[in-house]
Amino acid sequence: AQSVAQPEDQVNVAEGNPLTVKCTYSVSGNPYLFWYVQYPNRGLQFLLKYITGDNLVKGSYGFEAEFNKSQTSFHLKKPSALVSDSALYFCAVRPGGATNKLIFGTGTLLAVQP
Amino acid sequence: EPEVTQTPSHQVTQMGQEVILRCVPISNHLYFYWYRQILGQKVEFLVSFYNNEISEKSEIFDDQFSVERPDGSNFTLKIRSTKLEDSAMYFCASSEAGPILRNSPLHFGNGTRLTVT
Repeated sequence: AQSVAQPEDQVNVAEGNPLTVKCTYSVSGNPYLFWYVQYPNRGLQFLLKYITGDNLVKGSYGFEAEFNKSQTSFHLKKPSALVSDSALYFCAVRPGGATNKLIFGTGTLLAVQP
Repeated sequence: EPEVTQTPSHQVTQMGQEVILRCVPISNHLYFYWYRQILGQKVEFLVSFYNNEISEKSEIFDDQFSVERPDGSNFTLKIRSTKLEDSAMYFCASSEAGPILRNSPLHFGNGTRLTVT
């Protein structure tokens, strides 16, 4: 079965420290990988995507993500966290083949303490 | 920046009633989607829609569900006879392209919280 795993329900980090939100996937074909962020009472907001090429992709608000094919991972990172980064983060994968649906992880709540 | 808009933000209905959730996708987008998120659970794909027909649907999207693009701007999700387990946040999304350009990200609305009592 195709799936996306976000092993941490919550990540706590102090403001100014680096953060990592983990994601691993198990899908068929060559996937396209995405990160979305959800603020309270809002929809999912696109952060970044990996298609091909450089394994480190940069996105909005200083976030970046590292694709690792051998580990089937796509961890979200930021060198210096802000309190305003506190939100729910979703990893999503579009499997290979003729599908345009996204498979989402369960989400990770990022809490940045001042 | 253009956005996907959804109405209403919250809908309360009684079990067995029909509900219609409304969405206005981004105007130059061609693919439209509905996803749902049951409280505390993952975001799940329901259906995708292109060129006035369903292009893909999940096993959740049974005969109780239907989608329609009644005019050039709206995209609706109808639940014919709601059940308690239909209570969830329903998100509409749109994208410029679909399977051919699979790198096209989805743009989501703020969601409609459906509560079935």
